[in-house]
Amino acid sequence: GENVEQHPSTLSVQEGDSAVIKCTYSDSASNYFPWYKQELGKGPQLIIDIRSNVGEKKDQRIAVTLNKTAKHFSLHITETQPEDSAVYFCAAIFTGGGNKLTFGTGTQLKVEL
Amino acid sequence: KAGVTQTPRYLIKTRGQQVTLSCSPISGHRSVSWYQQTPGQGLQFLFEYFSETQRNKGNFPGRFSGRQFSNSRSEMNVSTLELGDSALYLCASSPDGQVGTEAFFGQGTRLTVV
Repeated sequence: GENVEQHPSTLSVQEGDSAVIKCTYSDSASNYFPWYKQELGKGPQLIIDIRSNVGEKKDQRIAVTLNKTAKHFSLHITETQPEDSAVYFCAAIFTGGGNKLTFGTGTQLKVEL
Repeated sequence: KAGVTQTPRYLIKTRGQQVTLSCSPISGHRSVSWYQQTPGQGLQFLFEYFSETQRNKGNFPGRFSGRQFSNSRSEMNVSTLELGDSALYLCASSPDGQVGTEAFFGQGTRLTVV
């Protein structure tokens, strides 16, 4: 069935360190993989996305990698800052039975001073 | 460019009542999706509308319904409210194209059922 698994559920790093969040998906036909950041009391904010024809995409301190063969993708945040603290969600579009965006369970990232 | 606007931000309703939530998408976006977010179930897809037609539906009971108007604004309705319907309801708008791509979310409506 449609499933996106996300790990870890919580992640604590020191300011300036890197953070990595990993997701796996079940539908090999999935072709779009966004990442969202959700701060307390706000809706999810799209921070980066990647399509299946690309292996890696970078935007300043944020990068996403995709391994279609293994059906997993990862979010990399370098030089973390306290304002990076939030819940991060990965997602994938499942094409079977109609396209819909399915989310992972979220990672609570805490950047400590 | 204004973002996705959801109203109201907060709602308290009694079991058995019904509720209507509103979403105004980003100007030019014709796809509107709705999601329910709870601590236990996470973000779950409710339905998606494009050009006033429901294109896709999640696994929710028929008490959850929606519609989209000609200006792309959307409403969702929940009838016969249950305690378990307490959640953050999020609306997301996307430009034309594949459902769910480049989806931008509103701040949500926090519904509490008592």
